[in-house]
Amino acid sequence: RKEVEQDPGPFNVPEGATVAFNCTYSNSASQSFFWYRQDCRKEPKLLMSVYSSGNEDGRFTAQLNRASQYISLLIRDSKLSDSATYLCAVNKDTNAGKSTFGDGTTLTVKP
Amino acid sequence: ETGVTQSPTHLIKTRGQQVTLRCSSQSGHNTVSWYQQALGQGPQFIFQYYREEENGRGNFPPRFSGLQFPNYSSELNVNALELDDSALYLCASGPPARETQYFGPGTRLLVL
Repeated sequence: RKEVEQDPGPFNVPEGATVAFNCTYSNSASQSFFWYRQDCRKEPKLLMSVYSSGNEDGRFTAQLNRASQYISLLIRDSKLSDSATYLCAVNKDTNAGKSTFGDGTTLTVKP
Repeated sequence: ETGVTQSPTHLIKTRGQQVTLRCSSQSGHNTVSWYQQALGQGPQFIFQYYREEENGRGNFPPRFSGLQFPNYSSELNVNALELDDSALYLCASGPPARETQYFGPGTRLLVL
């Protein structure tokens, strides 16, 4: 079993839809959590950190459920430009530079 | 743009050869991490350098080695290349508190 698991998708949604991704992790001692966005053949870009209290950035909301060991990403009012692969990353400490990544969930937003 | 640069952008090598990849950190960042991303997979942590010392290593063999220089730029060296080393190699730099990391555009390595 992988340390960090994501549903690969693809998720195909119409513009304006709300879509949610989950990411489960196996190490209960994990300390920091992130969502990245990766466009085809490009580098991952940090989308948001995930805090215990949950956090929101515009149309994006991230939540952490420590008891069930998963993080989630909710995208509201999907845009065509949201089409990408979304990677979750989990860290054993607060050092973001030693991340264990999932294999990503692919989202395609269609007109 | 993150300000993290990598060179070269693409590279083709043959099995058994050696390769050196380079990364320049974003200004103000003193931590560099290297990741390997195979097609269809998430990045895998190779190692991190902090203040010119290795600061943690993932599950990669010793033929993967690195350096960090006083200006915080970094190199990844891979000896005795294998076909499975074909991947996108990403470096990411981070600030002193290391609470975030920002990726460079990557080097795409093909081993034939």
